[in-house]
Amino acid sequence: GNSVTQMEGPVTLSEEAFLTINCTYTATGYPSLFWYVQYPGEGLQLLLKATKADDKGSNKGFEATYRKETTSFHLEKGSVQVSDSAVYFCALSDRRSNYQLIWGAGTKLIIKP
Amino acid sequence: DTAVSQTPKYLVTQMGNDKSIKCEQNLGHDTMYWYKQDSKKFLKIMFSYNNKELIINETVPNRFSPKSPDKAHLNLHINSLELGDSAVYFCASSQGLYQETQYFGPGTRLLVL
Repeated sequence: GNSVTQMEGPVTLSEEAFLTINCTYTATGYPSLFWYVQYPGEGLQLLLKATKADDKGSNKGFEATYRKETTSFHLEKGSVQVSDSAVYFCALSDRRSNYQLIWGAGTKLIIKP
Repeated sequence: DTAVSQTPKYLVTQMGNDKSIKCEQNLGHDTMYWYKQDSKKFLKIMFSYNNKELIINETVPNRFSPKSPDKAHLNLHINSLELGDSAVYFCASSQGLYQETQYFGPGTRLLVL
């Protein structure tokens, strides 16, 4: 079945560091891929998404490229801020799962000033 | 205006009690969901409703019963609460069953003593 694997956290970085959070997926079809972010004490919100191979999703300085050849959708940001501290979830959906979101385990990001 | 709202935000109760969590969305969406997030932030879908009809009912104990009086509301009733029910419960909605972007409420933090 479909699945999503994220790097384990927490990931701790200093402000202005470069961020990568790895996400790989298993799917038999052509899924859409998502990154959601959960700030402390809040619900999840969509950060970015990509619906087909080689698409790049971007928002708030974050980017992720849909790589079908490596079945990956790694999240990157060039210079993180303390306010980026949150839990980041990678997810996929496709027709085989009736478009139900399949979630990764989440990666906690801690940014130190 | 809050898009997806939940009440209460916090719920502390004794084992064996019955409690309800309410969810409302003002986005005009057709599909609503309940998720459970455990202490390690792992997110698990419990139920989804489309136009008041139950679509997804994951392996959740019978003590959990969702009710959708109309498209804008999806409530969760829990009977005979157990210690293991302690978690954060999130309501979410999407435009339709095959619309992949989900909008989350702020969560209800349930603690069973």
